[in-house]
Amino acid sequence: EPEVTQTPSHQVTQMGQEVILRCVPISNHLYFYWYRQILGQKVEFLVSFYNNEISEKSEIFDDQFSVERPDGSNFTLKIRSTKLEDSAMYFCASSVYLAGGGEQFFGPGTRLTVL
Amino acid sequence: GESVGLHLPTLSVQEGDNSIINCAYSNSASDYFIWYKQESGKGPQFIIDIRSNMDKRQGQRVTVLLNKTVKHLSLQIAATQPGDSAVYFCAETDSGSARQLTFGSGTQLTVLP
Repeated sequence: EPEVTQTPSHQVTQMGQEVILRCVPISNHLYFYWYRQILGQKVEFLVSFYNNEISEKSEIFDDQFSVERPDGSNFTLKIRSTKLEDSAMYFCASSVYLAGGGEQFFGPGTRLTVL
Repeated sequence: GESVGLHLPTLSVQEGDNSIINCAYSNSASDYFIWYKQESGKGPQFIIDIRSNMDKRQGQRVTVLLNKTVKHLSLQIAATQPGDSAVYFCAETDSGSARQLTFGSGTQLTVLP
């Protein structure tokens, strides 16, 4: 069964450093998403991506965040200068259609720890 | 802003009993709802979805009920098994903002032997 994969599973970084979280969505999916989940809290939407551009983004997704689809398979989330409050689980998801049109499949997540 | 929330943060049931997990939503424009299951250390896993033109949908051992009048969603799990122990989230979206899911805060379901 196809699945969304994410690397690394755990990333530890110093405050102010740049991190890149990587995702490989399901191959025939067209829509890609990043969500985050701070420990003990609910999953929060960050950004959606379609046709090589951002479709929607939340208030969390400020200028420190960027996304990219550098090739035909990878989808990355970059945080330019990490802050302590960026520590969270980051989930990538993909779907064939828009969110209202079908299931989003989630990856296992990357745990980001900012020291 | 509008949000989706859950009535109970924890629920414990005996193995073999039925479980009911509830969710309230406040965005009247929401027209698509999903239940996700999240096991420890894993990403959310789709369980079942329902559109606003329906009030009930059944899957394998799971049923979702939607009451648009009171903006309430529930997930029923029949014959709950130990493997059902997880956090359950409801999520919603509306066709006008059809690219992001708004998640509730989650209910921890614990199945007792």
